[in-house]
Amino acid sequence: EIVLTQSPGTLSLSPGERATLSCRASQSVSSNYLAWYQQKPGQAPRLLIYGASTRAIGIPDRFSASGSGTDSTLTITRLEPEDFAVYYCQQYDSSQGLSFGGGTKVEIK
Amino acid sequence: QVQLLESGPGLVKPSETLSLTCTVSGGTVTTGGYYWSYIRQHPGKGLEWIGYIYSYGGTHYNPSLKSRVTISVDTSKNQFSLKLTSVTVADTAVYYCARTIISGTSSLLDYWGQGTLVTVSS
Repeated sequence: EIVLTQSPGTLSLSPGERATLSCRASQSVSSNYLAWYQQKPGQAPRLLIYGASTRAIGIPDRFSASGSGTDSTLTITRLEPEDFAVYYCQQYDSSQGLSFGGGTKVEIK
Repeated sequence: QVQLLESGPGLVKPSETLSLTCTVSGGTVTTGGYYWSYIRQHPGKGLEWIGYIYSYGGTHYNPSLKSRVTISVDTSKNQFSLKLTSVTVADTAVYYCARTIISGTSSLLDYWGQGTLVTVSS
C-alpha cells in the first residue's frame, strides 16, 4: 500500500510570501499519476496540478509543482489572500486505486 | 461545463445502508475515457477515495471499504450511485462525487460535486 505523507501539517505565512508544500510517498510512484488539489472551507476540492506539473485550466502560474520518485513539491510563488486553504496531493496505483495525502493547511500568519 | 450533484438522505441509522446518487449534467457517464468516483471527508479530516466506476460498469474500490461498497451506473438517467452497507457512526462524512481521468499519462479528479453531509445516528 502506497501512503502519501504531506508536510508540514500547517504552514503559517504572510501574503506575498512563497509557500513550499511537500508530498512524500512510501514507495516510488509514477509522476504522471500525481495531482494536487486546493480546498477551501465548505467547498469541494479544486484540481490545481496533474501529471506532476501540468496546471489545470484556469489555475494561475504562481502555482507550480515538481518531483519524481517518492517526492513531490507544490510551490506557490507569491501567496494571494485567496490561496490560504488546505492542499492535498493524490496518486493512483493500479492495485489500490486512488489515495490522498493528509493535507497541508496554509494559514495567514 | 460538466456539473455533478449528489443527492440522498442526510441521516442514516446505524447498521443500515447509505445510498447516494450523483447526477451528471453537461456530459454523459458513457463518454469513453472517464471514470466516476465517490470520495468522502470525515468532519475536519482529509479526503478518502471510496471507489470508481467506468462507463461500461467496471469498478474499483478502496480495499478498506470494498466489502461494504457498491457503485453502479444508470446510463438512462446519466447518474451513478453509491451504496455503503452496515454503516456506523464512523461513516459520518461529507460525500463527494467526481469525474475521474486515469490514463497512461495522468490521474486526476477534474469536476466535483458540491458534497453532501451524511450523518449516521439513531
